[in-house]
Amino acid sequence: SQKIEQNSEALNIQEGKTATLTCNYTNYSPAYLQWYRQDPGRGPVFLLLIRENEKEKRKERLKVTFDTTLKQSLFHITASQPADSATYLCALDPGGYQKVTFGTGTKLQVIP
Amino acid sequence: DARVTQTPRHKVTEMGQEVTMRCQPILGHNTVFWYRQTMMQGLELLAYFRNRAPLDDSGMPKDRFSAEMPDATLATLKIQPSEPRDSAVYFCASGRGDVSSYEQYFGPGTRLTVT
Repeated sequence: SQKIEQNSEALNIQEGKTATLTCNYTNYSPAYLQWYRQDPGRGPVFLLLIRENEKEKRKERLKVTFDTTLKQSLFHITASQPADSATYLCALDPGGYQKVTFGTGTKLQVIP
Repeated sequence: DARVTQTPRHKVTEMGQEVTMRCQPILGHNTVFWYRQTMMQGLELLAYFRNRAPLDDSGMPKDRFSAEMPDATLATLKIQPSEPRDSAVYFCASGRGDVSSYEQYFGPGTRLTVT
């Protein structure tokens, strides 16, 4: 069966360090992979999208990699700040029709 | 600043009652999604529409849930009759649905509690 796995445990890191979050998937061939941020009591907010033929995408302090051989995406936040504390969700779109499936998310806590 | 709006933000109802949730997508977006989020299951896609036509509602319990788009500015999700297991946060999201822009914009959600 299709499965998306994100670190189920919360990730605590020190301010200024690089946070790395993992999204692994099985039995998918995603055309697109997206990362969203969700704060408590709010809807998810889109951060980055990466296509299957792209290895890496950057936006300010954010970087996403996509390895279709390993079936894995890594999401990096460099120079992390307490304001980056949130839950981060990856979402896979197998056909490019926007019918995405979300992972369960990883809660990131950046400690001052 | 264009946003997806949802009403009501909170709803408490008794088992067996009808619940209607409403969503106004961002103007110009042609794709509308309904999701349900719980601690146990995470964020699940219930149904989605493109140009007001339902594209997929396979994630929705058909016997009690229904989703419609009466016009381009309004999407509705109905539960009749509601059950305690329907307690969750329901999100609406909209998007452009073209190859240059696949991101989804989420509303603030409706927190539903069925007692």
